[in-house]
Amino acid sequence: ETGVTQSPTHLIKTRGQQVTLRCSSQSGHNTVSWYQQALGQGPQFIFQYYREEENGRGNFPPRFSGLQFPNYSSELNVNALELDDSALYLCASSLRGSSQETQYFGPGTRLLVL
Amino acid sequence: GEDVEQSLFLSVREGDSSVINCTYTDSSSTYLYWYKQEPGAGLQLLTYIFSNMDMKQDQRLTVLLNKKDKHLSLRIADTQTGDSAIYFCAHENPGTYKYIFGTGTRLKVLA
Repeated sequence: ETGVTQSPTHLIKTRGQQVTLRCSSQSGHNTVSWYQQALGQGPQFIFQYYREEENGRGNFPPRFSGLQFPNYSSELNVNALELDDSALYLCASSLRGSSQETQYFGPGTRLLVL
Repeated sequence: GEDVEQSLFLSVREGDSSVINCTYTDSSSTYLYWYKQEPGAGLQLLTYIFSNMDMKQDQRLTVLLNKKDKHLSLRIADTQTGDSAIYFCAHENPGTYKYIFGTGTRLKVLA
């Protein structure tokens, strides 16, 4: 069984740029959730994708957007980067429709915005 | 409400038991979770408990749930230096699929 993988592991961008982060879900899972974890804080829910559609969103502006592909992998796109976007971005996959839809997390992508 | 509160730090000696506490405000959650995060890493699922259970034991881990007081705890028996990490409790916000996390408790195990 393959776990959740994310790429890249680290990224440095400057203010105003755009970034794309990638996530491959655990084999057998059909749902991907994205979280932002600022330094010293718990993860904050950004959104979730199921059947290639956004299915639930946290308090994040529209410049945070995503995609899910037919193979259940997902991308997180952030436009017009701000300094406060510097954080660890975590992807989690789960199986919607199972008896207990536990989310399993990847290792994260650490983004630094200068 | 969505708040999940945890104490920030806990320090224990190797071989002792650790108890990490969590309080939450949303009583309608079906499952509550404990995750472990080592430095520079993602979140590792440790265990979870269904909301109609009071206790769950899994090897060195014991989870206690007091639903009346909205209090969740994680006990680690025979704590080892490899247990040093940040521990997060979380629950699913019903109907939204998002997990609400606490701020995390940093556990330091002294040799």
